[in-house]
Amino acid sequence: GAGVSQSPRYKVAKRGQDVALRCDPISGHVSLFWYQQALGQGPEFLTYFQNEAQLDKSGLPSDRFFAERPEGSVSTLKIQRTQQEDSAVYLCASSLGLSGTEAFFGQGTRLTVV
Amino acid sequence: AQSVTQPDIHITVSEGASLELRCNYSYGATPYLFWYVQSPGQGLQLLLKYFSGDTLVQGIKGFEAEFKRSQSSFNLRKPSVHWSDAAEYFCAVGPFMEYGNKLVFGAGTILRVKS
Repeated sequence: GAGVSQSPRYKVAKRGQDVALRCDPISGHVSLFWYQQALGQGPEFLTYFQNEAQLDKSGLPSDRFFAERPEGSVSTLKIQRTQQEDSAVYLCASSLGLSGTEAFFGQGTRLTVV
Repeated sequence: AQSVTQPDIHITVSEGASLELRCNYSYGATPYLFWYVQSPGQGLQLLLKYFSGDTLVQGIKGFEAEFKRSQSSFNLRKPSVHWSDAAEYFCAVGPFMEYGNKLVFGAGTILRVKS
């Protein structure tokens, strides 16, 4: 596709439910980032992939959060046993180069935990 | 630790008026600096970035920003605002890194344009 695609666009989960958020980066982009954007806040870094390697996961808030990119393209962010504080927009970004300074963002997935 | 402050949560300007959105950062060395725009339900779009060199950078949609090291600021400007500029604007800072340049964002400034 022409841009970064994220699905679903909206997700409502009951507290305690597991969710999986998908990101399709721009074809050929090496770097992939996940950010979390709480209501009224700027995005906060979660994790970074270079191809299939997860090189930085310092922003993941707890061990309930897990991300993968097994073939170096599509990435999935999984949240186990969702809590209300997980409610946010989850943004995915990809870039052609390693540095990520020319990152293109997807539209995000809005997760609401009830 | 890096941080970004956008002092104005909301700004309202008249269409055709000039605009300045403020951004102050905290970082130990000269960082990468960015401005992004986010329309409702959309992802972030890069307006412009500063790495080094000329401190006045031009971006898309007629925006420009000036890096002032002495003030740790990177304010965004536009001489004449259009109604379509109404959106939320984020300033971001990142270190010089070979890879994985994770950005630290400010809380954003919501721009309203009145006709």
